[in-house]
Amino acid sequence: KQEVTQIPAALSVPEGENLVLNCSFTDSAIYNLQWFRQDPGKGLTSLLLIQSSQREQTSGRLNASLDKSSGRSTLYIAASQPGDSATYLCAVSSGTYKYIFGTGTRLKVLA
Amino acid sequence: NAGVTQTPKFQVLKTGQSMTLQCAQDMNHEYMSWYRQDPGMGLRLIHYSVGAGITDQGEVPNGYNVSRSTTEDFPLRLLSAAPSQTSVYFCASIPPTGTGGLFEAFFGQGTRLTVV
Repeated sequence: KQEVTQIPAALSVPEGENLVLNCSFTDSAIYNLQWFRQDPGKGLTSLLLIQSSQREQTSGRLNASLDKSSGRSTLYIAASQPGDSATYLCAVSSGTYKYIFGTGTRLKVLA
Repeated sequence: NAGVTQTPKFQVLKTGQSMTLQCAQDMNHEYMSWYRQDPGMGLRLIHYSVGAGITDQGEVPNGYNVSRSTTEDFPLRLLSAAPSQTSVYFCASIPPTGTGGLFEAFFGQGTRLTVV
């Protein structure tokens, strides 16, 4: 059974720092991995999607990497800003339309 | 395109009451699903549908019913609400496999349900 873990559960950093959020999964037979952002009381906003054949995806200050063989993905946020404060979720799909979610990393960027 | 629309945004129910959470998408997506989000547990799959007339159970289906009569709508019914169903409910849709097979999920804004 696929399990997804995100470490750390919470993170507080000063503005301007580069930071890395981690996501690990137990079954490497995935089709893709998606990173989401969730603001308090809001829905999920898709940030990046990495297909299993890809190693990384970039969007602005965000870079997500995928190492299927080791069951890991990282989300790199460059030059963090207070507006980046949110919960970040990763989810993996085996290609059967079902996503398995991690419990998220709650990020606070201090001004 | 409105994307995935959920109604209502907030709801308070008494134990034993029934209600329907609405989900609609205007992107012609085949696959739709319902998740619940509880503190410390992440999102868990309740029910899903791979097309009109086809539904199946996810990880936590007990106490919930679904139907899919059209491509656009996928309502979630609580038959007899219980306090354990207090949660935030999210509806998601995924494009048809012909669109590159990315399986990228699009989520609604959620329904916050409290059962007292």
